[in-house]
Amino acid sequence: GQQLNQSPQSMFIQEGEDVSMNCTSSSIFNTWLWYKQDPGEGPVLLIALYKAGELTSNGRLTAQFGITRKDSFLNISASIPSDVGIYFCAGQPIGGSQGNLIFGKGTKLSVKP
Amino acid sequence: GAGVSQTPSNKVTEKGKYVELRCDPISGHTALYWYRQSLGQGPEFLIYFQGTGAADDSGLPNDRFFAVRPEGSVSTLKIQRTERGDSAVYLCASSAEVGQPQHFGDGTRLSIL
Repeated sequence: GQQLNQSPQSMFIQEGEDVSMNCTSSSIFNTWLWYKQDPGEGPVLLIALYKAGELTSNGRLTAQFGITRKDSFLNISASIPSDVGIYFCAGQPIGGSQGNLIFGKGTKLSVKP
Repeated sequence: GAGVSQTPSNKVTEKGKYVELRCDPISGHTALYWYRQSLGQGPEFLIYFQGTGAADDSGLPNDRFFAVRPEGSVSTLKIQRTERGDSAVYLCASSAEVGQPQHFGDGTRLSIL
């Protein structure tokens, strides 16, 4: 089935550093979403993107919908300890079921104070 | 509460037993989704409802899995003759309409002994 390649798998950074992670697909997507999941909790929506080229910010987070419609990235500026968690990209492929989101395997972020 | 509510939060049962997992969506949300998340993986789609009807059940792994949403609000995921491989976190999400961003509950952690 459809797969999203999310990288890196894990990151270990110093507090205050900027973070970048991305997601790619072999097929075209018409929606990209970024979620954060803490242990024992469900994924929490961070940013939703609907148009190719769209760049959207949410506080220190910025995400972009790639021009090719096959990729997306998420940047976190000036990381803080509470940014720790697993970040998932998710998307809806063109021609696919509207309710069926495809998820990446996640990027695990660790922040060293 | 304002978010998606899932009960129970944890369920431990023996192989071969029947289980029911409940999801209360955000009030007013017409679309409801079920996903399954294994350790170290992203959520995988199972089924989604638009109102009372299952619009896409292509992710259900086999006929032991069934879900209902009789009044277009609360949904129940039912698993018959459970197997050890069914152990996972079962996540529910809802959205105002299909295609709108999905908001997740904290999941039910199902363990089959």
